Amino acid sequence: GAVVSQHPSRVICKSGTSVKIECRSLDFQATTMFWYRQFPKKSLMLMATSNEGSKATYEQGVEKDKFLINHASLTLSTLTVTSAHPEDSSFYICSARGTPYYNEQFFGPGTRLTVL
Amino acid sequence: SQKIEQNSEALNIQEGKTATLTCNYTNYSPAYLQWYRQDPGRGPVFLLLIRENEKEKRKERLKVTFDTTLKQSLFHITASQPADSATYLCALRDLSGGYNKLIFGAGTRLAVHP
Repeated sequence: GAVVSQHPSRVICKSGTSVKIECRSLDFQATTMFWYRQFPKKSLMLMATSNEGSKATYEQGVEKDKFLINHASLTLSTLTVTSAHPEDSSFYICSARGTPYYNEQFFGPGTRLTVL
Repeated sequence: SQKIEQNSEALNIQEGKTATLTCNYTNYSPAYLQWYRQDPGRGPVFLLLIRENEKEKRKERLKVTFDTTLKQSLFHITASQPADSATYLCALRDLSGGYNKLIFGAGTRLAVHP
């Protein structure tokens, strides 16, 4: 299967600061990347979908100015949480789909964000 | 309304037995269904994908069935081991409704006891 990495795995920041999370597809071309959020003991909630070179499509209720997504290349997408607040503390997971995996979707290991 | 449900929030079984997890869906027409394993504090790991025209798929000790009439998928782990303990998620892609994204169930937490 394909490998998706995320960095950092864990980040603690102060309220009001911005945090950037990177997601990379290591051995395939990710034409589409997804960002999810997961609360403890809950399932994954899709935040947005991005196609390489295009603007991200956000799910209903997700603030696009708060969660900035960039998918500038076929191997890299970034999620920036702007002006983070304690309620943004969560587990963020990226996922990717692409060549040659058109149907399977592979996930990164996740990033634990804690906002103080 | 549209739903994807995994019954049994938690499932406890004895080592060596077969674990069977259920995924039911309502008001979707999935092109295919995927099963993932998730360990605490980690991202989901892809296990198996089964298409709407496939009845069954196997991979080592894992078996998935897909019944589009019953709108159900079953996920089996044979000869289960304590290392199989994790949360298992089912997810579907329904292309007909424009849902070009995976929709996840809430997951079943499996505990295999020695």
